[in-house]
Amino acid sequence: GENVEQHPSTLSVQEGDSAVIKCTYSDSASNYFPWYKQELGKRPQLIIDIRSNVGEKKDQRIAVTLNKTAKHFSLHITETQPEDSAVYFCAASPVSGNTGKLIFGQGTTLQVKP
Amino acid sequence: DGGITQSPKYLFRKEGQNVTLSCEQNLNHDAMYWYRQDPGQGLRLIYYSQIVNDFQKGDIAEGYSVSREKKESFPLTVTSAQKNPTAFYLCASSIRTGGNTGELFFGEGSRLTVL
Repeated sequence: GENVEQHPSTLSVQEGDSAVIKCTYSDSASNYFPWYKQELGKRPQLIIDIRSNVGEKKDQRIAVTLNKTAKHFSLHITETQPEDSAVYFCAASPVSGNTGKLIFGQGTTLQVKP
Repeated sequence: DGGITQSPKYLFRKEGQNVTLSCEQNLNHDAMYWYRQDPGQGLRLIYYSQIVNDFQKGDIAEGYSVSREKKESFPLTVTSAQKNPTAFYLCASSIRTGGNTGELFFGEGSRLTVL
């Protein structure tokens, strides 16, 4: 089945710096790659997603890139702010079996120091 | 106020007891999911359901059971057979089913502690 690996597990940056989180997936047929943000004590929420027919997508300070050949995708946060501190999860959607389910990475705890 | 509601928020259980976690949504979503969250392991899928009266095992279904008798409800039972049940449990729903995965909307979670 699909497996998603996420790195790093923790990331600490200074406010204003950029942060990059990387994920690799195993099922080459996966076609949907969302990113979720979970603030402390809160529920995960979708922040950006990308489908396999697109190489890059941006939304203000966040962007996601996808390399289908290498089977990896990354989240980029520019001009980080303290409110970006949270746990970030990547996920991939395997197409086989038409299940519609998501497989998540292990999570990255991002700390933005003021 | 539309959304997905989990209860209870905190639950304590003695070893050997079954416990049921509630998940209700009023978003008219077809698909519902249960994930387990442990530190350093991300979100692992326990069970999911794409339609009423049908559900499938996820990656870690052993020791858990579910039912989907109503579109709005997807309760999870943690049985005494689950070897390490202490965890944070998240329920989610999505509007799409099948190959076109849509956004997951999560509940606030239920933290189960086995004493």
